[in-house]
Amino acid sequence: DAGVIQSPRHEVTEMGQEVTLRCKPISGHNSLFWYRQTMMRGLELLIYFNNNVPIDDSGMPEDRFSAKMPNASFSTLKIQPSEPRDSAVYFCASSRTGRSYNEQFFGPGTRLTVL
Amino acid sequence: SQELEQSPQSLIVQEGKNLTINCTSSKTLYGLYWYKQKYGEGLIFLMMLQKGGEEKSHEKITAKLDEKKQQSSLHITASQPSHAGIYLCGADRLTYSGAGSYQLTFGKGTKLSVIP
Repeated sequence: DAGVIQSPRHEVTEMGQEVTLRCKPISGHNSLFWYRQTMMRGLELLIYFNNNVPIDDSGMPEDRFSAKMPNASFSTLKIQPSEPRDSAVYFCASSRTGRSYNEQFFGPGTRLTVL
Repeated sequence: SQELEQSPQSLIVQEGKNLTINCTSSKTLYGLYWYKQKYGEGLIFLMMLQKGGEEKSHEKITAKLDEKKQQSSLHITASQPSHAGIYLCGADRLTYSGAGSYQLTFGKGTKLSVIP
């Protein structure tokens, strides 16, 4: 059974360019999470979807960041325009909520470098 | 917001030695999750604790949650090079309804190196 799939695995871009990160959650999972990991701030939750609906986007840094989940099997995180301080590893995770606990399954991450 | 403090930040141990990693919350938790991350990879779920005083084990790794549900420890017995990586604790906060929020806040991690 495939886990969470993220693409691309690595992205190098120049400041000001648009960046789109993609995620395919595990089939049957109804929640999807986008995280950002940096040395300084650790792992931070950016946005949480439940049944394709954004529930909490309070972690999204600013208007340059946007996330969509058009269907249960696909989500995107877009940064426009990108800045060097956006350089980080971005993780997507999915889970099946509605149970008493919430084990999240993480993708391998996308390492973003903004020059 | 939920704050999680992990200690130590990094740890270097000789193969075969025991070690303990701690995770402390500023608030009562609904659930506490332990994950392991290898460099360049995603997080792998280890175990989840929910009840005060609960203890779980998986192979040579044991995790405990204190009675007040604000502190957890992860103990590795007879460490091996395969245990090397970054260990992160994640907390599911308690909502007003008494359920979990499904959103995890993570500590900054403990980097473990095991010397053969």
